[in-house]
Parts: sequence; C-alpha cells; structure tokens
Amino acid sequence: GENVEQHPSTLSVQEGDSAVIKCTYSDSASNYFPWYKQELGKRPQLIIDIRSNVGEKKDQRIAVTLNKTAKHFSLHITETQPEDSAVYFCAASNSASKIIFGSGTRLSIRP
Amino acid sequence: DTAVSQTPKYLVTQMGNDKSIKCEQNLGHDTMYWYKQDSKKFLKIMFSYNNKELIINETVPNRFSPKSPDKAHLNLHINSLELGDSAVYFCASSLGPGQGVYEQYFGPGTRLTVT
Repeated sequence: GENVEQHPSTLSVQEGDSAVIKCTYSDSASNYFPWYKQELGKRPQLIIDIRSNVGEKKDQRIAVTLNKTAKHFSLHITETQPEDSAVYFCAASNSASKIIFGSGTRLSIRP
Repeated sequence: DTAVSQTPKYLVTQMGNDKSIKCEQNLGHDTMYWYKQDSKKFLKIMFSYNNKELIINETVPNRFSPKSPDKAHLNLHINSLELGDSAVYFCASSLGPGQGVYEQYFGPGTRLTVT
C-alpha cells in the first residue's frame, strides 16, 4: 500500500545552521507534497507544499525539492532560529484527496 | 474567528464507555477528515467525508463511527472505549477532491485518555 518514509526521526542543529529532512514515497500517482509543522501541544499547520510539475519551491528560509524519478522530496530550512523547533511532517497525496503522512521529525535548535 | 473547531478539547473516560467528539468548520470546504495521533506522534488518517459522503475509510475498528450531518460538521462516535484508543484526535478540512488536493486545515485536537 501507499507509504511515506521520513528521516531522520530527530534532528538537533545549532542556531543559524541549516536543517534538512528527507522523505520518500511509494505511490507513483502522488502529485501533491505538503510539509506541516506541529509545535508542542498545537495543531499541524502547512508551511510549504509542492506539486509534481515543479522541482523546487522556496519561501524565505524554507525550501522544498522534489525528485519524481527517485520518489524523493526534501525540506530545507536555512539560518535556523529557536522558533523553528517543532515536529515536521512530510506527506504525499494523489488526486483522490487521501494524504499519507510521514512519521515526523523532531527538530531541536540549540542556542 | 475559528476556522476548524473541535469539542471537547480534553476527554477522560473509563474503558467500556461510549463518547463522541464534534467538529465544525466555517471555511466552506467540501471535505473533512478525522486523524489519530498516537503517543509517538504518528498522524494517521481514519476517515474522510466529501459533501456528507464517506470517501475514505481506513482500517479502523467498527467501534469508531463517523457522522456528517452536513458538510460543515463531522462528528466521531466511539463505542466501548479501550486503553489503546488514548490519543489526540484531529479533525481537518480542505477543498474537495474534485478540485485537486489542497491544504488541510486542522482543528485544535481532542486529547482522549481512557483509564
């Protein structure tokens, strides 16, 4: 069945450094790849998404890349700040509206 | 003004009881979802409704029954609660599948604790 694998499960980076989270998906029909951020005790919220007709998308310090051939997509956060500490989820979806989430990455920013 | 709301926020109950969680969205979305987030933070889809019709029904015990009285509401009823049902349940909504797949707006979550 459909599956999304996410790595690493935990990530600790020095404030100001970059963080990279990687995901792979199994369903070749997937065409929508969102990333959600969930702060402690809060709801998941969309931070960036990419569709299959695009290879890269950037929004200020956040960028996402997609390699459809390899079924890989990644989240890049540059110049990390304390408020970036959270759990990040990748997800993949086909046009049937079902979204499969990765297992999450707990990102900690060290001061 | 809240986009997706859930009640209650916390629910503590004993094994064997029956309980309901309610969800409402005022975004005019056609599709609503229920997700379960366990203690390890895995976020797993349970059900999805589009215009009051069930479109996604994952492998969920029959004790869980969703109900959508209209497209702005999706409730979750759980019978004979078990310890393993303890989790945070998130409701979400999005534009319908007929318009492609779009951002999911999550409710604040309901933390269910079964003792």
